[in-house]
Formats: sequence, structure tokens, C-alpha cells
Amino acid sequence: AQSVTQLDSHVSVSEGTPVLLRCNYSSSYSPSLFWYVQHPNKGLQLLLKYTSAATLVKGINGFEAEFKKSETSFHLTKPSAHMSDAAEYFCVVSDGRGYGGSQGNLIFGKGTKLSVKP
Amino acid sequence: DGGITQSPKYLFRKEGQNVTLSCEQNLNHDAMYWYRQDPGQGLRLIYYSQIVNDFQKGDIAEGYSVSREKKESFPLTVTSAQKNPTAFYLCASARSDLAKNIQYFGAGTRLSVL
Repeated sequence: AQSVTQLDSHVSVSEGTPVLLRCNYSSSYSPSLFWYVQHPNKGLQLLLKYTSAATLVKGINGFEAEFKKSETSFHLTKPSAHMSDAAEYFCVVSDGRGYGGSQGNLIFGKGTKLSVKP
Repeated sequence: DGGITQSPKYLFRKEGQNVTLSCEQNLNHDAMYWYRQDPGQGLRLIYYSQIVNDFQKGDIAEGYSVSREKKESFPLTVTSAQKNPTAFYLCASARSDLAKNIQYFGAGTRLSVL
């Protein structure tokens, strides 16, 4: 069975400093991996996705993530934080097997809240 | 504009009452999903539908019901059997059930118990 662990429930950075949000996954098959962002009382927006192409994935708003199979990690990074990046971020995994059942759907991490100090 | 519309934004339920959350999409997506979000818990799948007139239970379906009579609509009913309904409910849709396809989310409905 697949699972995802977000290693930090809360990360705080200063504006202009780098952001690192950590995610480890477990999957029996070649996984698809996603990062979503949620601003307060809003729905989720896709930041980026990995589906077995390039291991370094670039997303929107300057975010990127690197798929490391040997470490089963998919950490999200950004070189310089902006105040508007303050939100909750979800790492998501799916092994993409077939149709139906929870195996064919998305498994969400518990989220990491990012705070950005001026 | 294309997108997913959830209504209402806020909803209050009395004891023993059934309430229905609306989810409409005009993206022509086949698959639709309902998730429940609790603080610190991430999202958990309640029900999903791959095609009209068909739907499947997710991981926490007890106390909920759905219907999929039209491609663009996937309403969720929170029944009186759901003893802890207070949560943020998110609806999503995708081009198909294949998990590599991106799921697009609505803005959510926050349900509280009076």
C-alpha cells in the first residue's frame, strides 16, 4: 500500500530565504507524486506533479521538487520565500494502478503549514 | 470560466438532520470526488465517481451518500448517521480516474453542527 509522510507539520521562514518542505513516500509501484497548496478557507491548487519523466520537476510560483527514488523523497523547495507563499502544502502520492478502489486514487499527507515572516 | 463550484460556502446542521452539499463542474470531467478535511489530518476520500450513474465508496463513506445523475453534478448528503460531521468538505474532478490525471478542486464547504 502507498503512503506519504510530511516530516514537518509547521515550517517558518523569513521573506527572501529558501523554503524546504519535506515529504517521504512509500509505494509498491512507480508512483505519481504531486504537491498541492491550500490558502486559508480555499480549495487546493496543484503546484507540480511527477509522473516518471524528469526527476526535477518545476512548478508554478517558483517552486520545484526533486524525485529521489533511493531516498523515497519528494521534497518541495523554493529559493526565496514571498509573503504570499504562506499557506498549507500537501504532498500526495498515487501508484496509478488501474481504475477504482483507493489504490487508484490519491493519498494525501497531513500537510505542512508554511509561515513567512517579514 | 471553467471550474468547480461548491455551495454553500458555510453550512450548519442540526442534530438528526440530513444536509446536502452541492458540487458542480463545467470542465467536462468524467471523474468526481468528495474529500473530508480535518485539521492536521490531510484529506480523506469519502466517495468518488468515474462515470454518470456510478460511484464507489472511499475510505470514510459511513454516514454519507452521493448521487451522480448528471456528468456535471455530484452532490454529497451528510446523513444523521454521521456523528461527527464538522469538517471542511472539498469536491474535485478529473478527466478520468487515472491517478496521473490532475484533480481540480472547488473552494470547499465548511460544515458545522449547531
